[in-house]
Amino acid sequence: GQQLNQSPQSMFIQEGEDVSMNCTSSSIFNTWLWYKQDPGEGPVLLIALYKAGELTSNGRLTAQFGITRKDSFLNISASIPSDVGIYFCAGSRLKGGATNKLIFGTGTLLAVQP
Amino acid sequence: GAVVSQHPSRVICKSGTSVKIECRSLDFQATTMFWYRQFPKKSLMLMATSNEGSKATYEQGVEKDKFLINHASLTLSTLTVTSAHPEDSSFYICSARREETQYFGPGTRLLVL
Repeated sequence: GQQLNQSPQSMFIQEGEDVSMNCTSSSIFNTWLWYKQDPGEGPVLLIALYKAGELTSNGRLTAQFGITRKDSFLNISASIPSDVGIYFCAGSRLKGGATNKLIFGTGTLLAVQP
Repeated sequence: GAVVSQHPSRVICKSGTSVKIECRSLDFQATTMFWYRQFPKKSLMLMATSNEGSKATYEQGVEKDKFLINHASLTLSTLTVTSAHPEDSSFYICSARREETQYFGPGTRLLVL
């Protein structure tokens, strides 16, 4: 199945550092979602973006819906050990990520050293 | 937030047997649920879209007779892996639609011996 290109594939950082990851597609999406998955668990929604150019924050997390509708990025500021996990972007081609199936990114593994 | 549960969380079965996995939306009604499969260190791959009161829509390459989906109520969808084989061993995750968002269950680890 189709997947979105997500980078970097993995990141190993020190506690307190800022993190940035992005997701790109060759086609347009109307919704971008960012999830975090801990080992052996299901993904947990972090941020949902529904409008091109939209910039949304959730605590130390900030995500933006690219103007071209073909990309999105997620920033984590002042990382802490519990930020460890795999981060996935997901896109949907209909308004609202729920009404149509999601296409997932390849994931970014984040490791934070105390 | 919306809560989605899955049962069982882990199951081990013998080759040739069938396994049923339940997905429940605990505090909201979901007319649409989704079933995903995830291999180790890989992303989620959509298997099928489960619609309450109608037939599920399967993704290309997913055998509908192998993976039976039933969405009999607004809070429950089931995935039955029929005549399971070792290659069916995987992490199966469901999600439920609530308004504009999909909420995921905790996943079910299936091991077929």
